[in-house]
Amino acid sequence: QQQVKQSPQSLIVQKGGISIINCAYENTAFDYFPWYQQFPGKGPALLIAIRPDVSEKKEGRFTISFNKSAKQFSLHIMDSQPGDSATYFCAATNTGTASKLTFGTGTRLQVTL
Amino acid sequence: DTAVSQTPKYLVTQMGNDKSIKCEQNLGHDTMYWYKQDSKKFLKIMFSYNNKELIINETVPNRFSPKSPDKAHLNLHINSLELGDSAVYFCASSLGQGNSPLHFGNGTRLTVT
Repeated sequence: QQQVKQSPQSLIVQKGGISIINCAYENTAFDYFPWYQQFPGKGPALLIAIRPDVSEKKEGRFTISFNKSAKQFSLHIMDSQPGDSATYFCAATNTGTASKLTFGTGTRLQVTL
Repeated sequence: DTAVSQTPKYLVTQMGNDKSIKCEQNLGHDTMYWYKQDSKKFLKIMFSYNNKELIINETVPNRFSPKSPDKAHLNLHINSLELGDSAVYFCASSLGQGNSPLHFGNGTRLTVT
């Protein structure tokens, strides 16, 4: 059972554009939603995270929007740069249990010049 | 100075062989993990150890046996390797709380021929 669904699978955006990646979850017990960024040949690294008590969190060019009623959250990358080209994973967990992150299926982002 | 290091980076072996992957973290974290990333980039947790004690075992075949000699090390031994075991295996560590970021190593690409 895929508890965190992520789309699109791949995304091509021009430099300066906005990249948007969407995720939906099923488990209402999830209460922490991080995004991880993975470059080729490297392990994933935490990019930004949100709790469901806020609807938006912004860190630089990266923003998470969260819709608790719809059980959806999304990552927006403003002014996308070629250096943002990577695979992005949303994830979710219930912080009250053993810390087990459930990852989405990943989105491969390519930012073109 | 690498925070989570795993060796080897590449591992090519034949079906039926036994192999080990080693992982060490110098972050002082109590919790360590093994994740498997398949050819479609899907990340799935295999095991989690907290202070040398197994806390998550995600229905992984018993050919896979993790061993944690101390809280800074978590090794993965795989017996009777199969073609389907080919993947990238990531070690990670965290403070263990549900909202603690995972720190991943750079992965071990295992190819079974």
